[in-house]
Amino acid sequence: RKEVEQDPGPFNVPEGATVAFNCTYSNSASQSFFWYRQDCRKEPKLLMSVYSSGNEDGRFTAQLNRASQYISLLIRDSKLSDSATYLCVVNSYNQGGKLIFGQGTELSVKP
Amino acid sequence: GAGVSQSPSNKVTEKGKDVELRCDPISGHTALYWYRQSLGQGLEFLIYFQGNSAPDKSGLPSDRFSAERTGGSVSTLTIQRTQQEDSAVYLCASSPGGKGNEKLFFGSGTQLSVL
Repeated sequence: RKEVEQDPGPFNVPEGATVAFNCTYSNSASQSFFWYRQDCRKEPKLLMSVYSSGNEDGRFTAQLNRASQYISLLIRDSKLSDSATYLCVVNSYNQGGKLIFGQGTELSVKP
Repeated sequence: GAGVSQSPSNKVTEKGKDVELRCDPISGHTALYWYRQSLGQGLEFLIYFQGNSAPDKSGLPSDRFSAERTGGSVSTLTIQRTQQEDSAVYLCASSPGGKGNEKLFFGSGTQLSVL
């Protein structure tokens, strides 16, 4: 089993749709969680950190469920510019703090 | 301020040759990562340096791969006797390090093509 697994893509949605991505992690000792965004042929960039209480940044909401070991990202009112690959990232301190990426979920928002 | 710099941006080599990829992290960042990304795939962890601690080499795919970080700054990833399956984008990232300072800043990557 991979340390970090994400929903297989691609997700094709119309503008204005709400879309949700899930990510599961295998290390119960994991303490830090993030969502990164990667545009085609570009380097990944931090979208948002994921806090235990859940957090929101504009149209984006991230949630953490420690008991079930999954993280989610909700995008409301999708824009064409949201089209990208979304990467779930987990940091496991009992493994020295390295950051492990999921394989990514591709989102394509259509007019 | 300068971001993470990687060189070369593109490298074409023949099977069996050695290659060196360079990463200049952001000044003051104690954590440095190397990842590999094949076309259409996610980021594969290779190696992680944190301050003066021994590096985490658990992601290196074979003993042909090695990396070092000199003076806690510049890092070099070396691939010996390259194979066609080594073709990928090699991404370097740095972060301030430590809990709560984990935001990764990526370089633009080195596209390696092994013919």
